[in-house]
Amino acid sequence: GAGVSQSPSNKVTEKGKDVELRCDPISGHTALYWYRQSLGQGLEFLIYFQGNSAPDKSGLPSDRFSAERTGGSVSTLTIQRTQQEDSAVYLCASSNPGQGITGELFFGEGSRLTVL
Amino acid sequence: LAKTTQPISMDSYEGQEVNITCSHNNIATNDYITWYQQFPSQGPRFIIQGYKTKVTNEVASLFIPADRKSSTLSLPRVSLSDTAVYYCLVGGGNMLTFGGGTRLMVKP
Repeated sequence: GAGVSQSPSNKVTEKGKDVELRCDPISGHTALYWYRQSLGQGLEFLIYFQGNSAPDKSGLPSDRFSAERTGGSVSTLTIQRTQQEDSAVYLCASSNPGQGITGELFFGEGSRLTVL
Repeated sequence: LAKTTQPISMDSYEGQEVNITCSHNNIATNDYITWYQQFPSQGPRFIIQGYKTKVTNEVASLFIPADRKSSTLSLPRVSLSDTAVYYCLVGGGNMLTFGGGTRLMVKP
């Protein structure tokens, strides 16, 4: 497809289990972002990838969170030993900063995570 | 990082012009100002971006004063479908931080 694709759209898991969330950015976009949005709240920055540079992990809330981006394209956000406070919508966005200083962020529909 | 401050919520009526102001006192020289719109259960959607003065597109205008410490998103003649959360975003490069957003409610 032409847009940012995220999977799964919904994930229900038990406390203590690991989860993987996937993001397929727009083809050719060099920048990829992960955000977290709790119910009724704003977007919380998690991590940023740009080309082959080292990712900016400054927003990851704990060492249970990690992300990788393979081949400069698909990204996976992994949450280990999930806790109830991890319940949120995880949003992925991609952009092409080469078109401007920031470029327009294109967001996926998000992955809704519920930890029981 | 430039922190942004916006009103938490605003109410308007159909057909009115809505102006939402965002404060960003410590904006950096290279920072652009971008506004996004978010409907429930959807990811944010780009509305408009600017650096200084005025930018206009088919859906909105963005006014930025000379000191760039604030910006105003102007939505002409809003409709019920403009009910959403509007985010002001300041920055460039890596960490793009969203503020809390302004929840706009358009009433008939």
